[in-house]
Amino acid sequence: GEDVEQSLFLSVREGDSSVINCTYTDSSSTYLYWYKQEPGAGLQLLTYIFSNMDMKQDQRLTVLLNKKDKHLSLRIADTQTGDSAIYFCAEDPYSGGYQKVTFGTGTKLQVIP
Amino acid sequence: DTGVSQNPRHKITKRGQNVTFRCDPISEHNRLYWYRQTLGQGPEFLTYFQNEAQLEKSRLLSDRFSAERPKGSFSTLEIQRTEQGDSAMYLCASTTYGTGGLGDTEAFFGQGTRLTVV
Repeated sequence: GEDVEQSLFLSVREGDSSVINCTYTDSSSTYLYWYKQEPGAGLQLLTYIFSNMDMKQDQRLTVLLNKKDKHLSLRIADTQTGDSAIYFCAEDPYSGGYQKVTFGTGTKLQVIP
Repeated sequence: DTGVSQNPRHKITKRGQNVTFRCDPISEHNRLYWYRQTLGQGPEFLTYFQNEAQLEKSRLLSDRFSAERPKGSFSTLEIQRTEQGDSAMYLCASTTYGTGGLGDTEAFFGQGTRLTVV
């Protein structure tokens, strides 16, 4: 089956850039998502990228996709304490809904003031 | 609309008891999903509804689990004869499938119900 892997933990200093990495196995993935989960809150979509794109930038967020290596990354520029959360990547073969979306294990980002 | 709402937020139950959780999706969303999330893992798909029809169940959804969405609005997830392995966060999400645009690609999640079976 599909497998999405992430490192468990990342610690950065406030103001530095954070890079969260993700590897996936399903080559048929059409969409790749980044979700953020703050303590006591539900998952919130941060950004997504189509599989035919290499890069997407959205304000402080940059998503890079290496489809050949099945590697996805999320870069957060000028990381703030409010960015502390768990970040999930997810792959979607776009079978027509979220029932086939596979989420990664999540990376806990700790921002040190 | 205040988003996806789940109740209760926390539930502690004794092994063998039945529990029921409720999810109120965003009102215009026609699809509703249930997920289970255990510590250190991402959400795992359990089942979903389009309007009132339950279209798919994962193999994680044993016979002790049942979900309903009787009027195509709120949904309930019931676990019968709870076991310690059922302890997890149960998440609900909703989407506007079929309308095109970002609504098809973004799922809106509730805060979840944390179940502890003792």
